Amino acid sequence: GENVEQHPSTLSVQEGDSAVIKCTYSDSASNYFPWYKQELGKRPQLIIDIRSNVGEKKDQRIAVTLNKTAKHFSLHITETQPEDSAVYFCAAATQGAQKLVFGQGTRLTINP
Amino acid sequence: DAGVIQSPRHEVTEMGQEVTLRCKPISGHDYLFWYRQTMMRGLELLIYFNNNVPIDDSGMPEDRFSAKMPNASFSTLKIQPSEPRDSAVYFCASSLWYEQYFGPGTRLTVT
Repeated sequence: GENVEQHPSTLSVQEGDSAVIKCTYSDSASNYFPWYKQELGKRPQLIIDIRSNVGEKKDQRIAVTLNKTAKHFSLHITETQPEDSAVYFCAAATQGAQKLVFGQGTRLTINP
Repeated sequence: DAGVIQSPRHEVTEMGQEVTLRCKPISGHDYLFWYRQTMMRGLELLIYFNNNVPIDDSGMPEDRFSAKMPNASFSTLKIQPSEPRDSAVYFCASSLWYEQYFGPGTRLTVT
């Protein structure tokens, strides 16, 4: 079955700098790759997603890139702000399955 | 839309007692997922339904856990008997086309 690896497990950046979180997946049939943000004590919230027919997608300060050949995808956050501090999860799903396999999460801390 | 609704938000029970967690998915969504989240094991998929039918229950840890979806607007996750190691946050999520939306979760503590 699908396996998703996420790195790093913790990331600390200065406010205003960029943050990058990377994930790799094992199943070449996977075609949907969402990113979730989870603040302390809250539910995971979908912040951006990408499908396999697209290489990059941007939404304001966040962007996701996908390399299907290498089977990896990344989350990029620019101009980081204190409210970006949270745990971020990547996930992958195979076409038709709708079942998400999650990475282990990255705890992002933005230092003022 | 009110989003995914879960109840109760917090549950404290004693070992051996039956626990029932409830979920109301977003109207119109045809997939429903139950997850468990702990610090040690992260976010685990327990079971999911499509059009009220269980599709994959391979994540259910043991026979003490059961889940039902009697109709498109309601699902339950039951633990009987409960054990301290079941303490976790249980999330329900629903989706229509891959995009899963999570409920607020139920924090379960078994003493």
